[in-house]
Amino acid sequence: AQSVTQLGSHVSVSEGALVLLRCNYSSSVPPYLFWYVQYPNQGLQLLLKYTTGATLVKGINGFEAEFKKSETSFHLTKPSAHMSDAAEYFCAVITIYSGGGADGLTFGKGTHLIIQP
Amino acid sequence: DAGITQSPRYKITETGRQVTLMCHQTWSHSYMFWYRQDLGHGLRLIYYSAAADITDKGEVPDGYVVSRSKTENFPLTLESATRSQTSVYFCASSPGWPTYEQYFGPGTRLTVT
Repeated sequence: AQSVTQLGSHVSVSEGALVLLRCNYSSSVPPYLFWYVQYPNQGLQLLLKYTTGATLVKGINGFEAEFKKSETSFHLTKPSAHMSDAAEYFCAVITIYSGGGADGLTFGKGTHLIIQP
Repeated sequence: DAGITQSPRYKITETGRQVTLMCHQTWSHSYMFWYRQDLGHGLRLIYYSAAADITDKGEVPDGYVVSRSKTENFPLTLESATRSQTSVYFCASSPGWPTYEQYFGPGTRLTVT
């Protein structure tokens, strides 16, 4: 069974500071990994994804994440936080079966990012 | 151009009533999913469908029924609503291979009294 752990239910950073949101996963097969962002009273928006290939992936709004197989991690970073980044962030993993089928995403519990002015 | 829509956006119902939440996507994605979001639990998969007429259980399927007679629709029915089913429900769709990324609807906030 796969699982996702997000360290820190709340993370607070100052505007202009580095954002680091941590995600560790467990999966019995090579994972596909995703970060989603959720603004209040809205659905989830895909920030970025790792499937295969380059381990450093870039997403929207200046975010990027690095897949580290040896550490089973997929941490999300942004060099300089903006007030508009305040939101809930979810890391998720999906298992792709050998026949190409897949089931649903397994999500972490989320990290609430607070931006201090 | 709508992408993925859910209706209703808000619903209040009583314990024991049947409720159906609708989900419609315009991309012809093969996969569709239902999740529920609860404080402290994140999002959990209820049911999913890999294609029309193919559905499968997720992590928390008890008390829910789904069907998928058309590719674009994936309704979720609570046959006899309970207070523990008060939640925000999200529908998602995915094209599957090669990226399997999922696109989410705006959600339905359901309150069972």
